[in-house]
Amino acid sequence: QKEVEQNSGPLSVPEGAIASLNCTYSDRVSQSFFWYRQYSGKSPELIMSIYSNGDKEDGRFTAQLNKASQYVSLLIRDSQPSDSATYLCAVNPRNAGNNRKLIWGLGTSLAVNP
Amino acid sequence: NAGVTQTPKFQVLKTGQSMTLQCAQDMNHNSMYWYRQDPGMGLRLIYYSASEGTTDKGEVPNGYNVSRLNKREFSLRLESAAPSQTSVYFCASSEVTGNTEAFFGQGTRLTVV
Repeated sequence: QKEVEQNSGPLSVPEGAIASLNCTYSDRVSQSFFWYRQYSGKSPELIMSIYSNGDKEDGRFTAQLNKASQYVSLLIRDSQPSDSATYLCAVNPRNAGNNRKLIWGLGTSLAVNP
Repeated sequence: NAGVTQTPKFQVLKTGQSMTLQCAQDMNHNSMYWYRQDPGMGLRLIYYSASEGTTDKGEVPNGYNVSRLNKREFSLRLESAAPSQTSVYFCASSEVTGNTEAFFGQGTRLTVV
């Protein structure tokens, strides 16, 4: 089982819809969770960080964390074609010997259709 | 705001050649990282430096060496390039290791022929 799993997609949504991206992780003691956006040929760009259970909103983006179920999600409201990218989930597992390194999912490809 | 700056952006090497990828950050971050990204493999950590004066291996360190020159700069060296090292390389930095947001440079696309 991969430590951080994401559906590779592609996830296709119409413009204006809500895009829902999900990420599950295996280490129960994980402390920090991050969502990055990566456009084709570009570097990852931080969108959101979340550390506590519940929702965190920033503009059109909402991160949701459920530590009991070991998942973190990213909702994009009013999706725009410019949101078309690969979204990477990263988790800090904080277990012994690994608390210095983020664990990355492979990413979900999102396509927003005009 | 420069953030994290990597050089070069593109490089073609012949098998067996050596090169150094340079990275500098101006955010006063303690931790710096080198990743490679390959299709279907995601981001894989090569080496990281939790603070000035320390370096540690990541998932895929073989064939690479690093130097944390000072707090700002973290270089990655390929001593004898191999075709398997064809990849996109990213440098990143964060305030501390793991628990805080990491910021990435623009990447180096390396081809080894």
